[in-house]
Amino acid sequence: EDQVTQSPEALRLQEGESSSLNCSYTVSGLRGLFWYRQDPGKGPEFLFTLYSAGEEKEKERLKATLTKKESFLHITAPKPEDSATYLCAVQAWSGANSKLTFGKGITLSVRP
Amino acid sequence: DGGITQSPKYLFRKEGQNVTLSCEQNLNHDAMYWYRQDPGQGLRLIYYSQIVNDFQKGDIAEGYSVSREKKESFPLTVTSAQKNPTAFYLCASSPGTAGFVPIGYTFGSGTRLTVV
Repeated sequence: EDQVTQSPEALRLQEGESSSLNCSYTVSGLRGLFWYRQDPGKGPEFLFTLYSAGEEKEKERLKATLTKKESFLHITAPKPEDSATYLCAVQAWSGANSKLTFGKGITLSVRP
Repeated sequence: DGGITQSPKYLFRKEGQNVTLSCEQNLNHDAMYWYRQDPGQGLRLIYYSQIVNDFQKGDIAEGYSVSREKKESFPLTVTSAQKNPTAFYLCASSPGTAGFVPIGYTFGSGTRLTVV
């Protein structure tokens, strides 16, 4: 069974204080790892897809990295508008099934 | 613009009632999904459909039913058998299997269901 564990559950940062969010996974053959951002009362918005160890992707203050066991979402000099819940999900090589398995999310709060 | 539309945004259900949540997409995606989100529990899969007229149970299908008569539409019915239906419901779609390219989801904006 595919599993995704995100840590910490919640993170409070001061504006400008860089940090990293962790996503550990076990999957029977990783097809892709996904990061989403979710604001309160809204649906998740796609951030990144990673599919091979060593891969990195960046978008503004966010950088996602991937190893064979975990992924990190690095936030550099965060701003209050980066406050949200960040979801990690994995997709396995399992025939025609494109299901994603999600972690519980990390709630990030950035204080001005 | 292409996307997924969920309606209504807020829904109130009385005890013993069935209610149906709408999900429509114009992305020409083959696969569609329903998730339930509760505080501290993440996203839990209720039902999914890879193709029209076919669907499979997810991890928490009891008390729910779906249909997939059209590619664009995947409505979810919350029946009176669902004992704790108050939650945030999310619909998603994806192109489905596409060779070696990892395919993520596009999500709707959600429906918040409350039992009154």
